[in-house]
Amino acid sequence: GAVVSQHPSWVICKSGTSVKIECRSLDFQATTMFWYRQFPKQSLMLMATSNEGSKATYEQGVEKDKFLINHASLTLSTLTVTSAHPEDSSFYICSAPRGQGETQYFGPGTRLLVL
Amino acid sequence: AQTVTQSQPEMSVQEAETVTLSCTYDTSESDYYLFWYKQPPSRQMILVIRQEAYKQQNATENRFSVNFQKAAKSFSLKISDSQLGDAAMYFCAYRSLGPGTYKYIFGTGTRLKVLA
Repeated sequence: GAVVSQHPSWVICKSGTSVKIECRSLDFQATTMFWYRQFPKQSLMLMATSNEGSKATYEQGVEKDKFLINHASLTLSTLTVTSAHPEDSSFYICSAPRGQGETQYFGPGTRLLVL
Repeated sequence: AQTVTQSQPEMSVQEAETVTLSCTYDTSESDYYLFWYKQPPSRQMILVIRQEAYKQQNATENRFSVNFQKAAKSFSLKISDSQLGDAAMYFCAYRSLGPGTYKYIFGTGTRLKVLA
């Protein structure tokens, strides 16, 4: 099956610093990738759609300047949490549709803890 | 706008028994995709099964099968011969069919416990 990787798998940072999370499609190209946020025991909340070569599309209520997304190639999208604060602590998951896009394949997630 | 509802926050099943997880959705579209994903404690989302709405035949994948009732907008997941490794959160998801509409709409999830 399709493989999507994320790096790092977990990160601890100090409040006020920025953190970059990478999402890679390892065996297929993805012009679109998705970034989700998941709080404990809750469902996935779509944050934004990452589009290769163009601006990301953010969901309502998600701060564009806070969560910077760059989709620089067909296999890599990055999410940068700028000036992170403790309330940004969460589990971040990326996904990418393959082929005709019917099915999304998910990365293993990144746990972010902001102290 | 489409919505997905999972009314069972938690379910339990005895090992080797069968359990059914419920999912209902609301849409005005006639063609779409439906999915069940499993999220074990590792939190890696794993595709369990997929159903195309235009197909009348219910999808099956080994011990996993769905009961797709299009008119009732119901998409339940049946797990047969439950195993300890089936313990996880299960999410139902909806996706429109049109090109470029790759976004999923997820339900709130059902936590499945498997009892030895």
